[in-house]
Amino acid sequence: GAGVSQSPSNKVTEKGKDVELRCDPISGHTALYWYRQSLGQGLEFLIYFQGNSAPDKSGLPSDRFSAERTGGSVSTLTIQRTQQEDSAVYLCASRTGTATNEKLFFGSGTQLSVL
Amino acid sequence: AQSVTQPDIHITVSEGASLELRCNYSYGATPYLFWYVQSPGQGLQLLLKYFSGDTLVQGIKGFEAEFKRSQSSFNLRKPSVHWSDAAEYFCAVAADTGGFKTIFGAGTRLFVKA
Repeated sequence: GAGVSQSPSNKVTEKGKDVELRCDPISGHTALYWYRQSLGQGLEFLIYFQGNSAPDKSGLPSDRFSAERTGGSVSTLTIQRTQQEDSAVYLCASRTGTATNEKLFFGSGTQLSVL
Repeated sequence: AQSVTQPDIHITVSEGASLELRCNYSYGATPYLFWYVQSPGQGLQLLLKYFSGDTLVQGIKGFEAEFKRSQSSFNLRKPSVHWSDAAEYFCAVAADTGGFKTIFGAGTRLFVKA
């Protein structure tokens, strides 16, 4: 596709359930980020993938959060045993490569609501 | 580690008035600096960026920003605000060291009154 695609666009789940959020970056983009946007919290960095390098997981808030990127393309963010404080918009972004002065292309996000 | 501070959670300006949104960063070397805008119902869009050269950078929609190393600032400005500028604005910093990740500030929500 032409842009970064995220699915689902909305997800409502019950506390304690696991959820998977998907991100399809722009074809050929080697850098992929996950961010979380909560009310009044801005964009919180979660995890960063760059090519075949080990991901930077320094932003993951707890061990309930994990992410994978298969084949250097699609990424899945998994939240286990969801809590109400996990409710937020989860944004995925991609970039062409290692040049950090290049802009990020963002998806529309997944709105996660934990009841 | 790099960090970004946007001191103003929200700002209200009158249409036609000038605008300045503040951004301060923390990083040892020269960072790459960005401003993104998030309009209601739309995704994040890059307004402008700085990585070298002229410290005054021009962006889309009539915005500009000035990098001031001595103040560790990268404030966003616009001489005359339009109602369509109402949105949330994020300052971001990235670097070629420290993990290459891009870090965002908490955002400033701009309200425009008629």
